[in-house]
Amino acid sequence: EIVMTQSPATLSVSPGERATLSCRASQSVSSNLAWYQQKPGQAPRLLIYGASTRATGIPARFSGSGSGTEFTLTISSLQSEDFAVYYCQQYNNWWTFGQGTKVEIK
Amino acid sequence: QLQLQESGPGLVKPSETLSLTCTVSGGSISSSSYYWGWIRQPPGKGLEWIGSISYSGSTYYNPSLKSRVTISVDTSKNQFSLKLSSVTAADTAVYYCARSPGIAAAPGGWGQGTLVTVSS
Repeated sequence: EIVMTQSPATLSVSPGERATLSCRASQSVSSNLAWYQQKPGQAPRLLIYGASTRATGIPARFSGSGSGTEFTLTISSLQSEDFAVYYCQQYNNWWTFGQGTKVEIK
Repeated sequence: QLQLQESGPGLVKPSETLSLTCTVSGGSISSSSYYWGWIRQPPGKGLEWIGSISYSGSTYYNPSLKSRVTISVDTSKNQFSLKLSSVTAADTAVYYCARSPGIAAAPGGWGQGTLVTVSS
């Protein structure tokens, strides 16, 4: 099983600031990596797939990068609606998810 | 517009079988373009893939759950289903159904989720 490790567990950021979230895979997943946003009581929403392609309707302030085992999700200027939990997921070998990073208001 | 809706009992007794159905609207479950999957999330915890089924009925299961999971499709009702046998309290979770454009692809459409509690 490919283990996905996200860091940090919690990220405190002020509105308007930049947020950088990391995700590491225990073995290479190529670019088969997605990012999701989840708010309380809601299903996850796909933000990024293919490590760097924004899903339909996702604002340009969300960007993804990386390949192999190291990946990054960047939110360029945090809006109030961006405070949530973010998960990475690999789909190179079945599907496994990271444990999540909570982005909270500083 | 694609919509997925989970349904089934919210309470299941230990050792029994959990059964859920996902009803798809706004698209045909028989479409050759998509795979249909189940993901769960224990309260306050992360996401775990349970398994997926293709339009043709090929199934793919999480190895850690494979011995207890069955996913099937009913094209006449535009639904797919999950059965998880011999449940314990550790199977208490919100269960989501989702659609992906392949088994090696990210699920972009999700149901709202349904909480299933395992308790006597």
